[in-house]
Amino acid sequence: AQSVTQPDIHITVSEGASLELRCNYSYGATPYLFWYVQSPGQGLQLLLKYFSGDTLVQGIKGFEAEFKRSQSSFNLRKPSVHWSDAAEYFCAVAFLSGGYNKLIFGAGTRLAVHP
Amino acid sequence: GAGVSQSPSNKVTEKGKDVELRCDPISGHTALYWYRQRLGQGLEFLIYFQGNSAPDKSGLPSDRFSAERTGESVSTLTIQRTQQEDSAVYLCASSLDSRIAGLTGTQYFGPGTRLTVL
Repeated sequence: AQSVTQPDIHITVSEGASLELRCNYSYGATPYLFWYVQSPGQGLQLLLKYFSGDTLVQGIKGFEAEFKRSQSSFNLRKPSVHWSDAAEYFCAVAFLSGGYNKLIFGAGTRLAVHP
Repeated sequence: GAGVSQSPSNKVTEKGKDVELRCDPISGHTALYWYRQRLGQGLEFLIYFQGNSAPDKSGLPSDRFSAERTGESVSTLTIQRTQQEDSAVYLCASSLDSRIAGLTGTQYFGPGTRLTVL
């Protein structure tokens, strides 16, 4: 069965430090992968997505993610974190189910940023 | 509007009452999805609409939950006889027709409705 695991429930970093949020997926075919961010009281905003091609994808707000098929991972990275990046981050995998796009989400990683 | 909108943003109700949650998708998006997000957890899929039909209702947790959609527009999620375990944020998303866009039909989310059942 398809699943997404985000091993880190909470992460705290200092402003200006680098960030890596982990995501592992389980899916038999070529995965379609997404990272969403949810700020307090807000809906989910798409950060980036991977469908095919270059395994390093760039997103908004300076984020990037790398797809590694051998590790079944799609980790999110940012070289220098800003206080405004404090939020909850969700990784998701999409697959076609009955002819439509179904998303399976991880449990999320809550990021805190210290000044 | 430019994005997915949901109303109300917050709803507090008493156990046993019925509630209706509304979602307005992005114009032109024929696919619409409802999710539930319990505190500290990820998103649980509830139901998917293509137009006004619901090919996948597999995520609805019980027969107290139902949803409908008017054409390719507004959707309403109804919870009857609410229970405390129904307390959650209910998120709506829309996308282009997945039968055409396939997996590239990215889902765009609304801000959610926070439901609290006392």
